[in-house]
Amino acid sequence: DTEVTQTPKHLVMGMTNKKSLKCEQHMGHRAMYWYKQKAKKPPELMFVYSYEKLSINESVPSRFSPECPNSSLLNLHLHALQPEDSALYLCASSQDTGARWAPQHFGDGTRLSIL
Amino acid sequence: SQQGEEDPQALSIQEGENATMNCSYKTSINNLQWYRQNSGRGLVHLILIRSNEREKHSGRLRVTLDTSKKSSSLLITASRAADTASYFCATDAYNYGQNFVFGPGTRLSVLP
Repeated sequence: DTEVTQTPKHLVMGMTNKKSLKCEQHMGHRAMYWYKQKAKKPPELMFVYSYEKLSINESVPSRFSPECPNSSLLNLHLHALQPEDSALYLCASSQDTGARWAPQHFGDGTRLSIL
Repeated sequence: SQQGEEDPQALSIQEGENATMNCSYKTSINNLQWYRQNSGRGLVHLILIRSNEREKHSGRLRVTLDTSKKSSSLLITASRAADTASYFCATDAYNYGQNFVFGPGTRLSVLP
């Protein structure tokens, strides 16, 4: 069992829908991350939150909107996605990024399909 | 841009054999990490090696780092079928303004 929980595990949505991906950890980590992973490719960093503040946005399109309501929760709000956004979305957490890229704990991801 | 690149891209071995995967990177780093990903699952952190370290061990894993060649290797000894997974190296390049970048990965198949 992973210590980072992501919901839902699978999501199918149309290009006009609005949905949210959720991520939760209770390890006391103060850094949380969103990654996008296409099939047979490595994860690509999207966003990093440090102490509930957005610290890194890797030039992600605005149709992806992250939110960190508290130190345990991370959301990714989706709106007007494109078919090429279909991928596995992974959430991760680590001790605060003062350690700069400390080992990350990953959830099992949400597999997103855009119709 | 891609920082780490693994070699080989795919590796198939028999149970009990050793598996060696290599990772090359382009710029100076603070640390290099190796992760494993089983099919359909998230990544699992295996080992972190700092730029001032040359070798680290963890169980059946041995990681080396050669900063002069900008390369690292992951050795899995006495492989098991359960080691079948994709293995990724990941690097930071803080002083060069880059963030955390994963290499393309090596898909390891351990045959019983």
